[in-house]
Amino acid sequence: DTAVSQTPKYLVTQMGNDKSIKCEQNLGHDTMYWYKQDSKKFLKIMFSYNNKELIINETVPNRFSPKSPDKAHLNLHINSLELGDSAVYFCASSQLGGSAYNEQFFGPGTRLTVL
Amino acid sequence: AQSVTQLGSHVSVSEGALVLLRCNYSSSVPPYLFWYVQYPNQGLQLLLKYTSAATLVKGINGFEAEFKKSETSFHLTKPSAHMSDAAEYFCAAISGGYNKLIFGAGTRLAVHP
Repeated sequence: DTAVSQTPKYLVTQMGNDKSIKCEQNLGHDTMYWYKQDSKKFLKIMFSYNNKELIINETVPNRFSPKSPDKAHLNLHINSLELGDSAVYFCASSQLGGSAYNEQFFGPGTRLTVL
Repeated sequence: AQSVTQLGSHVSVSEGALVLLRCNYSSSVPPYLFWYVQYPNQGLQLLLKYTSAATLVKGINGFEAEFKKSETSFHLTKPSAHMSDAAEYFCAAISGGYNKLIFGAGTRLAVHP
């Protein structure tokens, strides 16, 4: 049973294209996150949704648009892809309500390569 | 704002030797701190977390970390390295609300025979 899953695992595309990455969690958590890991392995949060409501929106180009159809899913849509968007994108989930600062569970990542 | 610094982007140890990965945080309030491990081509897995309980935290795979407020440190240790410990290790802290995690730059641990 995969707790946090992402599709696709690999995504290779041309500059200027639009692409989406999907994330699903079956842990019953109320909060989901998107992180970007660059080529130097540096991890930075991009967005977070709590019960379908956007709660964290870091300084990210507006070409990136997250969408949460329900609390178990958080998708990331990227318009007009640029070379600098090449990275590994991780989805994560946690339970925000109840105990504070619960751990985040991470998906396996999506490696995006923009040519 | 919270920040996390990991000293040493690469650490190499012999199998059976002590593992010490360093992490310092900046905060004037007690932080919530985490160590995650990333094996090649995989996601992040939680090793351990500090949430203002015991200052010595034990995690999975024989790892532990000690929270030292006076040194603003949360170093990760393991008494005896195993080849399977070779991975990237990230220290992270909660910054602000909503469980927002701030990561250090990571330390790549290599274990050689």
